[in-house]
Amino acid sequence: AQSVTQLDSHVSVSEGTPVLLRCNYSSSYSPSLFWYVQHPNKGLQLLLKYTSAATLVKGINGFEAEFKKSETSFHLTKPSAHMSDAAEYFCVVSSMNYGGSQGNLIFGKGTKLSVKP
Amino acid sequence: SQTIHQWPATLVQPVGSPLSLECTVEGTSNPNLYWYRQAAGRGLQLLFYSVGIGQISSEVPQNLSASRPQDRQFILSSKKLLLSDSGFYLCAWSVGVGLKYEQYFGPGTRLTVT
Repeated sequence: AQSVTQLDSHVSVSEGTPVLLRCNYSSSYSPSLFWYVQHPNKGLQLLLKYTSAATLVKGINGFEAEFKKSETSFHLTKPSAHMSDAAEYFCVVSSMNYGGSQGNLIFGKGTKLSVKP
Repeated sequence: SQTIHQWPATLVQPVGSPLSLECTVEGTSNPNLYWYRQAAGRGLQLLFYSVGIGQISSEVPQNLSASRPQDRQFILSSKKLLLSDSGFYLCAWSVGVGLKYEQYFGPGTRLTVT
């Protein structure tokens, strides 16, 4: 079975400092992994995705994530936080047989990022 | 380009009343469509998905149902709402079935059952 664990429910950083949001996954096959961002009362926006190509994936708004198979991790990073980055972030793994259909997504519980001025 | 719409944006309904939420996708054909619910402190829960007109798969037994009357239209319904149906409902679409396909989400509907 596939699963994803976001290690921090809440992360707080100061504006201009680096951001690290941690995610570990469990999968019996080569997974596809995604990060989504959700601002309050908004839908989810895709930040980046890993689908077995380059292990370092660059996304929108300066975010990137590195797929590390040996550590089963897919942590999200950004060198310098902006106030506008304050939101909830979801690490997601694509399922092989979830509900009988390939490609259904399994979401982590989310990490709320706060950015202090 | 593709866009996804949901309405209404917010809804307050009494317990026992019916529900109809609509989702439409523009700019693509034969998308996979999904309904999720996001309740406070519970993350995102997949409710239904559809790979084609009239084809609905339910993930969680509950008070809700879904229909896909047209290729790019997905409707979430209930005959009688429960308090536990309150939450943020998200519709999503993907271009195909498979592990590498990301999903694109609509703006959501905030449902409060009183």
